[in-house]
Amino acid sequence: AQTVTQSQPEMSVQEAETVTLSCTYDTSESDYYLFWYKQPPSRQMILVIRQEAYKQQNATENRFSVNFQKAAKSFSLKISDSQLGDAAMYFCAYTSTGTASKLTFGTGTRLQVTL
Amino acid sequence: DTAVSQTPKYLVTQMGNDKSIKCEQNLGHDTMYWYKQDSKKFLKIMFSYNNKELIINETVPNRFSPKSPDKAHLNLHINSLELGDSAVYFCASSLGTGTRGYTFGSGTRLTVV
Repeated sequence: AQTVTQSQPEMSVQEAETVTLSCTYDTSESDYYLFWYKQPPSRQMILVIRQEAYKQQNATENRFSVNFQKAAKSFSLKISDSQLGDAAMYFCAYTSTGTASKLTFGTGTRLQVTL
Repeated sequence: DTAVSQTPKYLVTQMGNDKSIKCEQNLGHDTMYWYKQDSKKFLKIMFSYNNKELIINETVPNRFSPKSPDKAHLNLHINSLELGDSAVYFCASSLGTGTRGYTFGSGTRLTVV
């Protein structure tokens, strides 16, 4: 079974600084997809960034970028120029491509942004 | 213009009652899901439907019964509610197997007293 591990329950970053959230996963599949979701206090789940496993190039979305290391099964999220609005729970998630595939989430990292 | 809408947003009910949560999506997606988020914020899939057909049924008590009247709607009915059912329930939808990601509703906070 696929598992997703986030080893940092909480992280803190100062406004305008850079922070990296860690994620590792376990799978025997060769074709899969990885995601980071953000859940602010409003509890809405917001897709931040997506990575296709067969692409070596790391995905980027404005201030958000990933460091995807396929051999190490590592998928970290870097947030640059942190803003107060970035404060939220961040979830790493994995899915494969089979018919009965499902989005499997890590336990989340709570990010605090300080002035 | 809400993409995935769930009703109600909050539900407070007594133990033993039966309740339903409704979900509708207007994205044209063909797959819909129910997730449960517990008090520690852990998200776990409960069910998924593709074009009204049940695809995933995780180890969920049979007091929980999903129903998909069409591919735009997925409802969740819960019988004989227990204290441990208190959680936030999220509906989500995707195209196909969701390799482009899921779109989530805003969640229903269920509190059983």
